[in-house]
Amino acid sequence: AAGVIQSPRHLIKEKRETATLKCYPIPRHDTVYWYQQGPGQDPQFLISFYEKMQSDKGSIPDRFSAQQFSDYHSELNMSSLELGDSALYFCASSSRRGAAGANVLTFGAGSRLTVL
Amino acid sequence: AQKVTQAQTEISVVEKEDVTLDCVYETRDTTYYLFWYKQPPSGELVFLIRRNSFDEQNEISGRYSWNFQKSTSSFNFTITASQVVDSAVYFCALSEINRDDKIIFGKGTRLHILP
Repeated sequence: AAGVIQSPRHLIKEKRETATLKCYPIPRHDTVYWYQQGPGQDPQFLISFYEKMQSDKGSIPDRFSAQQFSDYHSELNMSSLELGDSALYFCASSSRRGAAGANVLTFGAGSRLTVL
Repeated sequence: AQKVTQAQTEISVVEKEDVTLDCVYETRDTTYYLFWYKQPPSGELVFLIRRNSFDEQNEISGRYSWNFQKSTSSFNFTITASQVVDSAVYFCALSEINRDDKIIFGKGTRLHILP
């Protein structure tokens, strides 16, 4: 079965550079979530999109932005990178079209960003 | 506000021992999901179980079992006859149904199974 695809899997950037992470949800999933997991930390919710509109917002820095495109894939853009942005970034997808309570998030393998 | 507490930061047991990972949660909603995820050293989040707040039946899957007690807001996870491959970080998580379904994670418990 198709899973959530994230790219790139690994990314190395310098401070003050820009990075873009991509997420391809499971086919027919309409909702995408982004999480950030720092070293030794739990995954923290950043932002979510439902049907290409921002659905919820968590602890996402102003330097970050994200969007969901017409094909439901999503991109997380991170500018003016700081050392503290080094983390594992997870994307998850789900479908809200099913019966109430049927929604389950499926996580991608993550994109590891290292800022030097 | 929702919150998940995993009081055990790190646990070490010898292989073949049983081990229980504790999880306590807080939510004002009456309908919610509870989850356990495993994160091995490779980093991916592996889904283990989802439990609906209306279903307090305990569940067993092979060497894994889960004890959901609504009265104490706990959702504990037991590994029986642990194996070295069980070494990982385990996250307990909560999702409030009908509230965007995003998952809130606990801080995780790092489990070391010693050979």
